[in-house]
Amino acid sequence: EAAVTQSPRNKVAVTGGKVTLSCNQTNNHNNMYWYRQDTGHGLRLIHYSYGAGSTEKGDIPDGYKASRPSQENFSLILELATPSQTSVYFCASGDGTGSGNTLYFGEGSRLIVV
Amino acid sequence: GDQVEQSPSALSLHEGTGSALRCNFTTTMRAVQWFRKNSRGSLINLFYLASGTKENGRLKSAFDSKERYSTLHIRDAQLEDSGTYFCAAGRGSALGRLHFGAGTQLIVIP
Repeated sequence: EAAVTQSPRNKVAVTGGKVTLSCNQTNNHNNMYWYRQDTGHGLRLIHYSYGAGSTEKGDIPDGYKASRPSQENFSLILELATPSQTSVYFCASGDGTGSGNTLYFGEGSRLIVV
Repeated sequence: GDQVEQSPSALSLHEGTGSALRCNFTTTMRAVQWFRKNSRGSLINLFYLASGTKENGRLKSAFDSKERYSTLHIRDAQLEDSGTYFCAAGRGSALGRLHFGAGTQLIVIP
């Protein structure tokens, strides 16, 4: 079974502080994604990556940066956290091959910005 | 704009009954994936379809790219089926970007 692990699982941050959410996958998948999930919105794509060294903007990138230092690791960075970034964040990996790009998700990171 | 319209937003089922969830797409999608978010917050893969139907136990899913919809049927609902169900669809690019529905919160009642 595919393995995607996120840390921290829960985080309380202060407004203006820096937050880093980390994601590690052991699937050797090329593609990794960061989503946030808010009630009534499903999951929305923030940033994604094709592979080590690559980061691309998703649908709602403002206020977020991403880093993919290796195949296994993909981080989401909030340089100046705001209360509107209170959400549950999901990382996912996928192999992106043809039409079989099933995504495998981590268990989510709950962030509260006060 | 929103590309995936999921319905219903909430659903209550008595144990042993069944129902269907539906996602309509505003554009042509090449594949759909269904997930269930369990009580721990994990997103569990249920189905991936590029066409046709798939069945797994009490769950069955269908995807019609031409008609722009997908369904998830649940039969003989059990208490452990409770959770939020999401569909997600992609246009088939190698990047695999998925567009998610807003979710259906299912409560199974004893």
